[in-house]
Amino acid sequence: EPEVTQTPSHQVTQMGQEVILRCVPISNHLYFYWYRQILGQKVEFLVSFYNNEISEKSEIFDDQFSVERPDGSNFTLKIRSTKLEDSAMYFCASSVQESRDTQYFGPGTRLTVL
Amino acid sequence: GQNIDQPTEMTATEGAIVQINCTYQTSGFNGLFWYQQHAGEAPTFLSYNVLDGLEEKGRFSSFLSRSKGYSYLLLKELQMKDSASYLCAVRGGDDKIIFGKGTRLHILP
Repeated sequence: EPEVTQTPSHQVTQMGQEVILRCVPISNHLYFYWYRQILGQKVEFLVSFYNNEISEKSEIFDDQFSVERPDGSNFTLKIRSTKLEDSAMYFCASSVQESRDTQYFGPGTRLTVL
Repeated sequence: GQNIDQPTEMTATEGAIVQINCTYQTSGFNGLFWYQQHAGEAPTFLSYNVLDGLEEKGRFSSFLSRSKGYSYLLLKELQMKDSASYLCAVRGGDDKIIFGKGTRLHILP
């Protein structure tokens, strides 16, 4: 069964450094999402992406965040200058359509900012 | 403001039935999802409701009442592997998905 994959599974970085989290969505899916989950807290929507542009973003997704689909398969989340509070699990998800469709989540990248 | 409420924790016995409730207040409504999340893992899709009524899928069923802003997830014939957090999530009128804090379900033998 096709699945969303994410790399790396765990990223450790120093405060102020840039990180890029990578995702490979399911191949026939058109909508891509990033979520984060701080340890012990709820899942939070960051951004949705369709047709090579951001379709929705939350208040969390400020200027230090950016997303890109650099080629036909990868979908990346970049955090320009990481802060301690960016430490969280970051989940990528994808779906065929948007409104009525199931989002399939990847296994997540655990980001630790020291 | 937008809010999703669900119980923090529940306990049930193997083989029994449990109902996890979710109430929501959102700006607009474009569907409600239930996800299962085992500790340290990604959420996995269980069900989607956009119209009122009951959707049944094997041992799991989900109910929605849009007028009451209410949903429940019903799990039958509980198994030990059902021990997990169950996340209620609502797609609002702006199509952003808001998650509840999740209900941690403990299954006792």
